[in-house]
Amino acid sequence: ETGVTQTPRHLVMGMTNKKSLKCEQHLGHNAMYWYKQSAKKPLELMFVYNFKEQTENNSVPSRFSPECPNSSHLFLHLHTLQPEDSALYLCASSQEDKSSSGANVLTFGAGSRLTVL
Amino acid sequence: GQNIDQPTEMTATEGAIVQINCTYQTSGFNGLFWYQQHAGEAPTFLSYNVLDGLEEKGRFSSFLSRSKGYSYLLLKELQMKDSASYLCAVRDSNYQLIWGAGTKLIIKP
Repeated sequence: ETGVTQTPRHLVMGMTNKKSLKCEQHLGHNAMYWYKQSAKKPLELMFVYNFKEQTENNSVPSRFSPECPNSSHLFLHLHTLQPEDSALYLCASSQEDKSSSGANVLTFGAGSRLTVL
Repeated sequence: GQNIDQPTEMTATEGAIVQINCTYQTSGFNGLFWYQQHAGEAPTFLSYNVLDGLEEKGRFSSFLSRSKGYSYLLLKELQMKDSASYLCAVRDSNYQLIWGAGTKLIIKP
């Protein structure tokens, strides 16, 4: 396996279900991200784990909760979602340095397409 | 507020040249990125500009003018496989990435 792998690629869930999205990176990067991609809208950053410290976008509803057990794995736990949460959820990783002076290019996974009924 | 503007959709002909523009208003500037995203696939990195001028990589070039808050991605000798969405993103003074909504490029034979 190389790059960033996301599972499942497609997920359909009801509003009362609990499910999780998984992301794994094989690049030795030290930062991982969750993004939400909706049609014709900019990518929305949801959560960042950088040097094992989590930062988050305060506008993310609590029905989304991230988990980062180590620098290679990232989860997004989903519960009691709403239909408007239907979107493509992209995971990304990068090699961040403390000075943030480099390009710090993101490597994305192919995404998990979520449909909430 | 911070904003990135790029056209929603463009159409071009195979073999031709197309320029995709991106204008930005951000709190500070620490680099501009272009990513390519084919339908159903991961966005992939194309280019990074932090200084004014043109960066060339094969058929693709990216230009930056910091004083004008403007960049463009130039694609030459278009191929059908270039049909994709092209995402512009700017890193602001807090090193946060601000994204445009993407430009869907359609290539016709």
